[in-house]
Amino acid sequence: KAGVTQTPRYLIKTRGQQVTLSCSPISGHRSVSWYQQTPGQGLQFLFEYFSETQRNKGNFPGRFSGRQFSNSRSEMNVSTLELGDSALYLCASSLEGIRETQYFGPGTRLLVL
Amino acid sequence: GESVGLHLPTLSVQEGDNSIINCAYSNSASDYFIWYKQESGKGPQFIIDIRSNMDKRQGQRVTVLLNKTVKHLSLQIAATQPGDSAVYFCAENSGANSKLTFGKGITLSVRP
Repeated sequence: KAGVTQTPRYLIKTRGQQVTLSCSPISGHRSVSWYQQTPGQGLQFLFEYFSETQRNKGNFPGRFSGRQFSNSRSEMNVSTLELGDSALYLCASSLEGIRETQYFGPGTRLLVL
Repeated sequence: GESVGLHLPTLSVQEGDNSIINCAYSNSASDYFIWYKQESGKGPQFIIDIRSNMDKRQGQRVTVLLNKTVKHLSLQIAATQPGDSAVYFCAENSGANSKLTFGKGITLSVRP
């Protein structure tokens, strides 16, 4: 069974731009969660989607948004990029939610200049 | 994925010894806890989880201990191997509709 895939793997943007990251979960998994990882703040939960609905949300500004499609694939969008948004963005999938084994993708490394 | 950070605490152990990685959690309402391992260049990998109705759970070469009184979680790795070298994170959750909160991470370095 294929693992969680994320595209693109690397991305360079400039301040003020917006970016869309994509995540394809493991087949059959309906929960997709997004995380931001930085050296300073560590791993932080962004949001979780289940059956196309946002079920949980972390403490991030409204510039961070996401969605999930009927095939469970998910995208996250960051608008009006700031230098501090430079991070590794990780996606994880599980069958039903965050209170069970989640499988992480390799991440998308975003650099904002 | 890539390794986490430049200033994480480090635990150095001799190959073959047992390792104990500790984590203090903050939310007394948390009832689900997870340990993750992150190797350089990869995303985190689930190791083991435990719910608050238990104080100990064992997996293959790993044991998680939960002390709810002092809000402390530990991961014990038996017969540590070079392949165990990685950053280890604990995470806590207080319900299906709440977020997952991660600890800062600890680097485990295994000496040959």
